[in-house]
Amino acid sequence: QKEVEQNSGPLSVPEGAIASLNCTYSDRGSQSFFWYRQYSGKSPELIMFIYSNGDKEDGRFTAQLNKASQYVSLLIRDSQPSDSATYLCAVNLDYGGSQGNLIFGKGTKLSVKP
Amino acid sequence: ETGVTQTPRHLVMGMTNKKSLKCEQHLGHNAMYWYKQSAKKPLELMFVYNFKEQTENNSVPSRFSPECPNSSHLFLHLHTLQPEDSALYLCASSQGAWDEDYYGYTFGSGTRLTVV
Repeated sequence: QKEVEQNSGPLSVPEGAIASLNCTYSDRGSQSFFWYRQYSGKSPELIMFIYSNGDKEDGRFTAQLNKASQYVSLLIRDSQPSDSATYLCAVNLDYGGSQGNLIFGKGTKLSVKP
Repeated sequence: ETGVTQTPRHLVMGMTNKKSLKCEQHLGHNAMYWYKQSAKKPLELMFVYNFKEQTENNSVPSRFSPECPNSSHLFLHLHTLQPEDSALYLCASSQGAWDEDYYGYTFGSGTRLTVV
């Protein structure tokens, strides 16, 4: 069974620190990787996606992908209390024009303390 | 309206009731999805529609019945549910195919369902 694993947390960091969220996946054929943020009682919202090995930066967020190790991470620099949420890692197992289904991890709860 | 709209936001129903959840997307996407989110569990894929054709039914009990009349609308018909079906039901849409224009899902705000 194809799986996406995340540490459920909670991960607690002080305001201004770097928060590091990790995700591993089981299927070597996975091609694209997504990070969603979900506030309590709300629906998930896309914050980052990455397709190629290496780093991708967008503002305070950096996604890192290592396909050889089947590992994807999300770094949040200068963490703010408003970043407190559950972060969901999602993996697309299909490629080349086929169905774009996503498999989600359970999510990591992040708490940023003022 | 823009994005993905789900109604109702909250629903309480008895085990003998019949109700429907509605989802509408205004993004021009080709694929629509139903997911179930329970406490302590990952998002569970229920149904996938691509160009209004069902392409996946993830072993969902028959008391859940999806309907997709066109690429913009998706329904989930509910009947004789069980208390363990209480969860957040999320609708999402996407381009439907992995290519350079694929940016994952856009989710609706969800329906919080309670079965009593």
